[in-house]
Amino acid sequence: EVQLVESGGGLVQPGGSLRLSCAASGLTFSTYNMNWVRQAPGKGLEWISHISSSSNSIYYADSVKGRFTISRDNAKNSLYLQMNSLRAEDTAVYYCANSGNYRLESWGQGTLVTVSS
Amino acid sequence: DIQMTQSPSSLSASVGDRVTITCRASQSISTYLNWYQQKPGKAPELLIYLASSLQSGVPSRFSGSGSGTDFTLTISSLQPEDFAAYYCQQSSSIPWTFGQGTKVEVK
Repeated sequence: EVQLVESGGGLVQPGGSLRLSCAASGLTFSTYNMNWVRQAPGKGLEWISHISSSSNSIYYADSVKGRFTISRDNAKNSLYLQMNSLRAEDTAVYYCANSGNYRLESWGQGTLVTVSS
Repeated sequence: DIQMTQSPSSLSASVGDRVTITCRASQSISTYLNWYQQKPGKAPELLIYLASSLQSGVPSRFSGSGSGTDFTLTISSLQPEDFAAYYCQQSSSIPWTFGQGTKVEVK
């Protein structure tokens, strides 16, 4: 069974930084592309970043480009999201999800990031 | 960016009803369209991929159809566990984008 477990969320002040992690098990992590998707409270889903299996291809939504950095460590079966210059509108539950064949197959349970003074 | 528009935004239905949700893309996306179900406080789960393929483990009462710009998710006979939010998502081009969601509520 695929398990994706996010961690690292919490309360941070505007302008601050946070690093999210996603620990993967039950899949051959190094063969899957990975993504971060977020959901603001009471709102819909927003894809924010993608990294290919070998880290060769990386993409970001315009809303986070230049502020967030996605990375992965295949030896540790882990995905990361470094978030800098955080804004109130970044407040959301952040999910990691693996993708193969153009779909987000399995999702973690999410970690809440709250940006507030 | 490709805009995804779902309708309706919410609907009320009873157990046993046939439910149809539509999703329209702002440009052709072939069949690069997925559907997800999300229950309150839970992560989304993949239901349908590539417009009409049923994800493993998903009940056969769920089906998807469409191509190009117009897509449909159908629940043939609504069950109590199906009251949830449903999202379409295009994977034709980056950035991947979602519809705004459809909430299926108890009538």
